Amino acid sequence: VVMTQTPLSSSVTLGQPASISCRSSQSLAHIDGNTYLSWLQQRPGQPPSLLIYRVSKRFSGVPDRFSGSGAGTNFTLRISRVEAEDVGVYYCTQATHFPNTFGQGTKLEIK
Amino acid sequence: QVQLVQSGAEVKKPGSSVNVSCKASGDTFTDYTFNWVRQAPGQGLEWMGRIIPILGQANYAQNFQGRVTITADKSTSTAYMILSSLRSEDTAVYYCARAGVASTHWYFDLWGRGTPITVSS
Repeated sequence: VVMTQTPLSSSVTLGQPASISCRSSQSLAHIDGNTYLSWLQQRPGQPPSLLIYRVSKRFSGVPDRFSGSGAGTNFTLRISRVEAEDVGVYYCTQATHFPNTFGQGTKLEIK
Repeated sequence: QVQLVQSGAEVKKPGSSVNVSCKASGDTFTDYTFNWVRQAPGQGLEWMGRIIPILGQANYAQNFQGRVTITADKSTSTAYMILSSLRSEDTAVYYCARAGVASTHWYFDLWGRGTPITVSS
């Protein structure tokens, strides 16, 4: 399954919203009724960390300014008010189909 | 403390093999799968394969079939990844990432800090 993210880079003013789109080449709806689409954040020089799982569930400790939405083949990560610590690269990833695949990544910078 | 501790950086010659370890602590080892994901310099993430310790089963991405072997030692809660026939394009940071065995937990909730592997003559 090919995961395509847009944009590949984004420059956002502090306090303003940001949005990243992720499109899959096949529906990510699993036969068990769940959709296994997650979002990862990778800060500079750090390993990735989990932000959102199963489309819209925030992982433990993730600020509520991060939210995920979508269904089928179209998904979105939104940051309601960008903060300086949000700088990094964001990846969508799917686990519905074998093998796991990742989007190309979206680099978020502060304007 | 829940964490994945990976082995240290290595420099290898083309054609050789590398063995990277990932020791898990703080949770029940067999509740999880342990995945290997690599990131070439300045590039994105690439899933290589996984081990399901409770089943003793490994699955591999097609790109790495025949060159990668992933195993786990339940007695030490450690997963291992061996990549053979190394070439310069294998220069990357190799991450161990945990996901739940249960389908409701199919997401990478914990990552190791990464093991840089440099392949150079």
